[in-house]
Amino acid sequence: SQQGEEDPQALSIQEGENATMNCSYKTSINNLQWYRQNSGRGLVHLILIRSNEREKHSGRLRVTLDTSKKSSSLLITASRAADTASYFCATDTYSTFIFGSGTRLSVKP
Amino acid sequence: DSGVTQTPKHLITATGQRVTLRCSPRSGDLSVYWYQQSLDQGLQFLIQYYNGEERAKGNILERFSAQQFPDLHSELNLSSLELGDSALYFCATGPGQGATGELFFGEGSRLTVL
Repeated sequence: SQQGEEDPQALSIQEGENATMNCSYKTSINNLQWYRQNSGRGLVHLILIRSNEREKHSGRLRVTLDTSKKSSSLLITASRAADTASYFCATDTYSTFIFGSGTRLSVKP
Repeated sequence: DSGVTQTPKHLITATGQRVTLRCSPRSGDLSVYWYQQSLDQGLQFLIQYYNGEERAKGNILERFSAQQFPDLHSELNLSSLELGDSALYFCATGPGQGATGELFFGEGSRLTVL
């Protein structure tokens, strides 16, 4: 079964707007990661947040983690058309990586 | 380029047949993970190997098997194929024994079962 569930399943915004996607998970984790997938391509790692961290930034990306609620969010600021892709959270469960169902982001120019 | 190589990129076959998908990891990576992605769906974890040994198993069907060879490349064998096995199969590799650091993905093998 899926460890992570993402919300929303799909998101459509205008260029320049911010995009927020959420991930919920079920078990204890070592860390949580976010990946990006362009249509039909391999996934690319974006950012990792450890279980003892609450917030992390990387360029236009901001990730938060709330281990008490078993949830994480990914914020992409000032979105661009090139950000159009699917975004997945992945939980490091100490034994393997389990991926969520993904959020399809469409950024319109 | 992630450094992870998967072959073949595309494969079309018939129900009941058997196929083998191959993954060559990044230089130095000892862990190999296999995932299945059906159309527009999330990634289902199948199986993980570390330095030749199976480390974790997910929702892998009995018709599927995998192994990691001494040179660290891995193969995923899919047999008695059904229409529902049509999917993208991804290999991802990482350096650690357990789930450490980030994963590096290949471009996937797209399997179509007719």
